[in-house]
Amino acid sequence: AQSVTQLDSQVPVFEEAPVELRCNYSSSVSVYLFWYVQYPNQGLQLLLKYLSGSTLVKGINGFEAEFNKSQTSFHLRKPSVHISDTAEYFCAVTRSSNTGKLIFGQGTTLQVKP
Amino acid sequence: SQTIHQWPATLVQPVGSPLSLECTVEGTSNPNLYWYRQAAGRGLQLLFYSVGIGQISSEVPQNLSASRPQDRQFILSSKKLLLSDSGFYLCAWGTSGRETQYFGPGTRLLVL
Repeated sequence: AQSVTQLDSQVPVFEEAPVELRCNYSSSVSVYLFWYVQYPNQGLQLLLKYLSGSTLVKGINGFEAEFNKSQTSFHLRKPSVHISDTAEYFCAVTRSSNTGKLIFGQGTTLQVKP
Repeated sequence: SQTIHQWPATLVQPVGSPLSLECTVEGTSNPNLYWYRQAAGRGLQLLFYSVGIGQISSEVPQNLSASRPQDRQFILSSKKLLLSDSGFYLCAWGTSGRETQYFGPGTRLLVL
């Protein structure tokens, strides 16, 4: 069975500072990995995804993530955050199948302070 | 382009009352459809998914049910709501053979 662990429930950071949101997964088969962002009272928006190929994936809003198979990690990074990045971030995993079911982590709240 | 709609946006219901939440997708055909629930302070839990009309798979035992009467319509229902049914309900769609899911704006349900 697959599972996802987001190691930090809350990450406070000052504006223009770098940030890393950590995600580890467990799976006995090859997986696909995703990061979604959720702004207050809204649905989820896809930030980026890793399906295959280059392990460094670039997404929207200046975010990037690196897939590390040996450490089973998919950490999300941004070199300089803005107030508008304050949101909930979810890491998710799935394996290729007809159903495409996603398994989500518990989420990390990114709080950007002025 | 594809869009996904959910309604209502917010709903307050008494315990024991029925529930019907609707989700529709535009701009694609034969999508996979999903219902998730997000309880306060918790992650997302997959409730149901459907790979075609009339095909529903349940992920967790509960007093909720789902139906897919049309290709791009997915309905979440309950005959009698419980307090524990409160939460943020998200519908999503995806394409078979591709893994990305796209989410609707959600419905916030408060059961009193």
